[in-house]
Amino acid sequence: NAGVTQTPKFQVLKTGQSMTLQCAQDMNHNSMYWYRQDPGMGLRLIYYSASEGTTDKGEVPNGYNVSRLNKREFSLRLESAAPSQTSVYFCASTLWGIAGEGGYTFGSGTRLTVV
Amino acid sequence: RKEVEQDPGPFNVPEGATVAFNCTYSNSASQSFFWYRQDCRKEPKLLMSVYSSGNEDGRFTAQLNRASQYISLLIRDSKLSDSATYLCVVNPPSNTGKLIFGQGTTLQVKP
Repeated sequence: NAGVTQTPKFQVLKTGQSMTLQCAQDMNHNSMYWYRQDPGMGLRLIYYSASEGTTDKGEVPNGYNVSRLNKREFSLRLESAAPSQTSVYFCASTLWGIAGEGGYTFGSGTRLTVV
Repeated sequence: RKEVEQDPGPFNVPEGATVAFNCTYSNSASQSFFWYRQDCRKEPKLLMSVYSSGNEDGRFTAQLNRASQYISLLIRDSKLSDSATYLCVVNPPSNTGKLIFGQGTTLQVKP
């Protein structure tokens, strides 16, 4: 059982380049999330998808777009990367409405550096 | 005021020590609470949920004080392997499953 799989694990981009971070879960979870983690800032929510077919902005959505491709997959796109987007990105999932039961399952993260 | 606040530490303790972390939250209507553990350069993993009655899992005890809006984590008989960052996590009153994470408290257990 793979859980939550993120690709790539590492990426270096030049300012202005675009890329898509992929996330897939095999636990039949309804809700999926993208967080970024920066030193001293903790985890901050970028976008989330409460259920298939819906997406909503989180705390720090500027510069990002998302696609909930199907129930399993939730991708995060940087259209024009900026150095401020250098961070560790985590995808997470949970059964909708019962995050209070078991919390999230996280992917292993993508370390992105924008130069 | 941040929604979830933790002392970032680091807490440096010897093996075998007892250590406690506190965390405060701002939304009194928050529904559920967790402690996550994050090892260096790894993803966060659920350590334990926190219930009003308090709960214990081996050497770990979590407590919730709704009146004062704080939760705590007590670790007894610290092991070297307990060295990690502990994230306080709150489920606010919404139906979207969005969790709010504290910035974490770093624990370093020394031999």
